[in-house]
Amino acid sequence: ETGVTQSPTHLIKTRGQQVTLRCSSQSGHNTVSWYQQALGQGPQFIFQYYREEENGRGNFPPRFSGLQFPNYSSELNVNALELDDSALYLCASSSLAGGPLGSTDTQYFGPGTRLTVL
Amino acid sequence: GESVGLHLPTLSVQEGDNSIINCAYSNSASDYFIWYKQESGKGPQFIIDIRSNMDKRQGQRVTVLLNKTVKHLSLQIAATQPGDSAVYFCAERSNQGGKLIFGQGTELSVKP
Repeated sequence: ETGVTQSPTHLIKTRGQQVTLRCSSQSGHNTVSWYQQALGQGPQFIFQYYREEENGRGNFPPRFSGLQFPNYSSELNVNALELDDSALYLCASSSLAGGPLGSTDTQYFGPGTRLTVL
Repeated sequence: GESVGLHLPTLSVQEGDNSIINCAYSNSASDYFIWYKQESGKGPQFIIDIRSNMDKRQGQRVTVLLNKTVKHLSLQIAATQPGDSAVYFCAERSNQGGKLIFGQGTELSVKP
């Protein structure tokens, strides 16, 4: 167990709806990265949050947005859901400068949220 | 663009044998590499990592080799066990703290 938790475990939405996914980082970690994993593929980087601000973004449209809170937990929001958004959404916890663990390299993943868009 | 690819999508080995999973990367600026194991229905689990200033790193039953000349990474698992059956991903990072770029994955199947 990594100590990274995500909720909900599974979610079913219809096209056009909005969804919010949540992630709690591992104790001592101040950075959260979000990834989308389509079936049979490797995870694709969506964005990273550090000190409550976006710290890098992958090739995803603006309808994918996020937040990080003072306790380092994070949310991923997706608006105007499309069928292709069906995937496993993973968050990964790590530590950058300024946190109690200093700067580390390894990203530890949570169990993911399985989103199905009908 | 950047990519990390795996040479074999599936690998089947006998219990007790050694396994070698290979990975090619294209970004010569990448400074950090990680191997993850992902079991069905779970998130990726960290196995071992290596920085670009090293060419070999060993863990418990696992060894990662990095050949920067040909941009190749491999994961060796000694005495493979049924519990090692999973999909294995290599990932690279091109700047400190930044995004990880994953390959498609190799499915390892261990026959008893």
